[in-house]
Amino acid sequence: EAEVAQSPRYKITEKSQAVAFWCDPISGHATLYWYRQILGQGPELLVQFQDESVVDDSQLPKDRFSAERLKGVDSTLKIQPAELGDSAMYLCASSWGPGLAAPAHEQFFGPGTRLTVL
Amino acid sequence: AQKITQTQPGMFVQEKEAVTLDCTYDTSDQSYGLFWYKQPSSGEMIFLIYQGSYDEQNATEGRYSLNFQKARTSANLVISASQLGDSAMYFCAMREGERNQFYFGTGTSLTVIP
Repeated sequence: EAEVAQSPRYKITEKSQAVAFWCDPISGHATLYWYRQILGQGPELLVQFQDESVVDDSQLPKDRFSAERLKGVDSTLKIQPAELGDSAMYLCASSWGPGLAAPAHEQFFGPGTRLTVL
Repeated sequence: AQKITQTQPGMFVQEKEAVTLDCTYDTSDQSYGLFWYKQPSSGEMIFLIYQGSYDEQNATEGRYSLNFQKARTSANLVISASQLGDSAMYFCAMREGERNQFYFGTGTSLTVIP
């Protein structure tokens, strides 16, 4: 069964270091989402890609966070420098994309990367 | 304004009983979708059920049903015959707009009591 892959599953880093997370969506999925989920809260959208283009990054702290999906397939989310408040679960999800009949736009989530900043 | 509101931070239910988790939403779109996800302590997000804004009948998936009341902008999740494995966080979410933007609520923690 097709799954969204994420790596690493766990990351511990020190404040001011750089970290990077990788996501490989389900094959053929045009839309890719990165979420941040702080413990006890709901996922917060950081960035949404349609193929290789960013369609929403309004909640992405652009002074330290960057995201890319160069070939419209897999994606990387980077934090530089990491801060204590960045400790959270980072979830990647993918869906077929807009313009399709429901529920094709259901999001499929990866297992997440749990980041701890010391 | 919050797009998705879940007013129950925590709920308890006796095993084998039914439970309703509340969700209200805010959108100006005519076409939108409503989702419920389950997140166990292991962290993965598991899709449970979907309701489209034009669907006239309430969605059902096994023991899950979605009580969709469009006029009240509510999309409550009903879990029948609760099981111990249902203990988890439950998130209501909405898709809207041409770009398939998703919004999640703050979640409800459900505990099933033996």
